[in-house]
Amino acid sequence: GAGVSQSPSNKVTEKGKDVELRCDPISGHTALYWYRQSLGQGLEFLIYFQGNSAPDKSGLPSDRFSAERTGGSVSTLTIQRTQQEDSAVYLCASSFSGATGDSYYEQYFGPGTRLTVT
Amino acid sequence: AQKITQTQPGMFVQEKEAVTLDCTYDTSDPSYGLFWYKQPSSGEMIFLIYQGSYDQQNATEGRYSLNFQKARKSANLVISASQLGDSAMYFCAMREGNTGGFKTIFGAGTRLFVKA
Repeated sequence: GAGVSQSPSNKVTEKGKDVELRCDPISGHTALYWYRQSLGQGLEFLIYFQGNSAPDKSGLPSDRFSAERTGGSVSTLTIQRTQQEDSAVYLCASSFSGATGDSYYEQYFGPGTRLTVT
Repeated sequence: AQKITQTQPGMFVQEKEAVTLDCTYDTSDPSYGLFWYKQPSSGEMIFLIYQGSYDQQNATEGRYSLNFQKARKSANLVISASQLGDSAMYFCAMREGNTGGFKTIFGAGTRLFVKA
């Protein structure tokens, strides 16, 4: 079946512009995650959505970052007034979420969007 | 706060030998899961293996096994019979089942180089 897809695969933007990154999760997955990976670094958690619950936004680095998930499926990560330090690969992942107390359900990752702010 | 530590920025191993990648974690939640992912140079993240905090046995998946030492809070990945294709970044991750709300935290990663 289809995996997680992300678009665009690459985005070059000028400093100060807004960008939107899209993630289409695996059908049936109730949890969706956004991460940021700077060159040669680990994954930095940004935000996750689980079903109809309020998203956990604790990882968003500033109020320039926002995300929404429409209809429990597609998600859009928006970065306003981009800065050069926003340059990174933005990874989206989805998973089943289970119930409270469950820790299983591995995440399936998309190919990422490489954002370059000039 | 949850914390994942991978102390080996880079590791070298000879082809066909075994290698252990270290991971320690910190949590007060009795229910948690530990994951290892592989990230080749192409960039995709590939799930390798999972260990639950209540699992009595160490997880194994083919050439991958997880050396889970709960009291020491370590979850080392063992790769047996290394292959050239194992050269990649490896990330340890943890999710707290009760308190983490399915938020997953990743370590900084270990870059593995397999030598021919």
